[in-house]
Amino acid sequence: GIQVEQSPPDLILQEGANSTLRCNFSDSVNNLQWFHQNPWGQLINLFYIPSGTKQNGRLSATTVATERYSLLYISSSQTTDSGVYFCAVSQGGSEKLVFGKGMKLTVNP
Amino acid sequence: NAGVTQTPKFQVLKTGQSMTLQCAQDMNHEYMSWYRQDPGMGLRLIHYSVGAGITDQGEVPNGYNVSRSTTEDFPLRLLSAAPSQTSVYFCASTLLRGNSPLHFGNGTRLTVT
Repeated sequence: GIQVEQSPPDLILQEGANSTLRCNFSDSVNNLQWFHQNPWGQLINLFYIPSGTKQNGRLSATTVATERYSLLYISSSQTTDSGVYFCAVSQGGSEKLVFGKGMKLTVNP
Repeated sequence: NAGVTQTPKFQVLKTGQSMTLQCAQDMNHEYMSWYRQDPGMGLRLIHYSVGAGITDQGEVPNGYNVSRSTTEDFPLRLLSAAPSQTSVYFCASTLLRGNSPLHFGNGTRLTVT
């Protein structure tokens, strides 16, 4: 099946810093989503982005489907950005998302 | 708008006991699914459904049963709990139109002793 790799696995930042999270996938996809799991365990959908670029406040995401990667940018990070970020993909019109192992972000005040 | 509701939030079982994790959504989503989350493993799909009366297996279905009698509800049954089923379980749903985000419940933390 399709493989999803996220990097870096862990990142520690000072408040106000910018960061880029990367998601590589091993085959073509028609569905790619980014999620944030907060320290209380809740999973929040950030972006549905199988291709192109989207922005939502301080967060933006870009997917280059032909090169099989997606990037999540966090600008001016805040302590509330801490948590685990997941990339998930699916193929062939399926809603069955395959998740990467996640990237833990810690933003210190 | 309640979204995806999971109950219970926490559960402790003894090996061999059975139980049902409940999941309900009020968004009229056709697709519903169950994932388990284990440390260092990400989320792995257990079972999913694309509509009432239709279910299928995901990546890790052994030891779990599901049914979908209504659009709103998608319960997950553990037939004979094992310590390897200690995990956090998430229910998720979405529309089948192809460009809809996946919405998660708040999870159920299950411990099997």
